[in-house]
Amino acid sequence: GAVVSQHPSWVICKSGTSVKIECRSLDFQATTMFWYRQFPKQSLMLMATSNEGSKATYEQGVEKDKFLINHASLTLSTLTVTSAHPEDSSFYICSATRQAANYGYTFGSGTRLTVV
Amino acid sequence: RKEVEQDPGPFNVPEGATVAFNCTYSNSASQSFFWYRQDCRKEPKLLMSVYSSGNEDGRFTAQLNRASQYISLLIRDSKLSDSATYLCVVTPPGANNLFFGTGTRLTVIP
Repeated sequence: GAVVSQHPSWVICKSGTSVKIECRSLDFQATTMFWYRQFPKQSLMLMATSNEGSKATYEQGVEKDKFLINHASLTLSTLTVTSAHPEDSSFYICSATRQAANYGYTFGSGTRLTVV
Repeated sequence: RKEVEQDPGPFNVPEGATVAFNCTYSNSASQSFFWYRQDCRKEPKLLMSVYSSGNEDGRFTAQLNRASQYISLLIRDSKLSDSATYLCVVTPPGANNLFFGTGTRLTVIP
């Protein structure tokens, strides 16, 4: 089945530094990648949608200059949290799909970010 | 109003019990519906899609009522391994992203 590899699975960083999270689709071409954030006891909230080769579309309230998304190839998308602050501590998870009817969505295993 | 609303629970049920979760969605033109399962600190995993005609997969039955904008999940003969958070998920019209409910926490007790 379709697999999306996400890493790191967890990261602790100092306030003010940047963190890059990678998602790779291992056995299919991900034309669209979604990035979600989940705070404790809350639902997954869509941050942005990226289509390969295009600029990401950010949801309202998500700062595009803070959360940099790159989707330069059909198998790799990255999310960089720039100048991280403690309030950015969360569970970040990607989801990939292919442009085909009923293809479905495959999630990465998530990255738990803690900013200290 | 949230796109998807669920009762967060928690539901604590004994092994073997039958439990039902409900969910409502706000956009009547929503096009696809799913139930996902999420274990603690893990990614969501697709449990089943939900069709208007209703569908069943073993002990799990999903129903969709478009008129009431309501989705349900029934779990029969609960197992300890069913303990998880169940997420109601909807695809909005004209888009291919997913809207997640906050999830309903289920704990099956021995």
